[in-house]
Amino acid sequence: KNEVEQSPQNLTAQEGEFITINCSYSVGISALHWLQQHPGGGIVSLFMLSSGKKKHGRLIATINIQEKHSSLHITASHPRDSAVYICAVSQFPINFGNEKLTFGTGTRLTIIP
Amino acid sequence: KAGVTQTPRYLIKTRGQQVTLSCSPISGHRSVSWYQQTPGQGLQFLFEYFSETQRNKGNFPGRFSGRQFSNSRSEMNVSTLELGDSALYLCASSWTSGRAGADTQYFGPGTRLTVL
Repeated sequence: KNEVEQSPQNLTAQEGEFITINCSYSVGISALHWLQQHPGGGIVSLFMLSSGKKKHGRLIATINIQEKHSSLHITASHPRDSAVYICAVSQFPINFGNEKLTFGTGTRLTIIP
Repeated sequence: KAGVTQTPRYLIKTRGQQVTLSCSPISGHRSVSWYQQTPGQGLQFLFEYFSETQRNKGNFPGRFSGRQFSNSRSEMNVSTLELGDSALYLCASSWTSGRAGADTQYFGPGTRLTVL
């Protein structure tokens, strides 16, 4: 079982719809990151959170530490939101060095005009 | 402020060769992490450097190595290339004096390596 699970793997929606992408993890973490990757490979960090909720424009990220679950919401979705959204967790290493990121497999979002 | 830059952007090598990839972090950032992205395995952590010291490494064979210079620029090297090393290699920098994973990471555009 992967340490970080995302759902759904693929999501197609109409412009304007409310989008939710989920991330569950099975390890202890110090922080959770939501990343966006557009075709061509560039990755942008959207949020880093360790508790509660963060909002940036039409994007909202929440995390429930007790349930080991996070969600990324997009309100009033737009075709330019089409991208792969990746959840990553920062784990304390067991016996060496600093923390590292462990990634989910990503959710491919397509917004149709 | 300039973003993270990686050179080269594209590279084609043959099996058995070695390759060196370069990453220049955002000015003032002292932590540089390297990641490999493949269609089959997704994104995987390679290693992280801070102040010229490797602080953490992922589960990759010893053919993968890296270093960081005093100006925070970093290089990664892959020796004896295999077909499976074909991937997008991304570096990310962060402003941290401690915990790289608990700080926002700024990614470069990546180097796409093809091994024939």
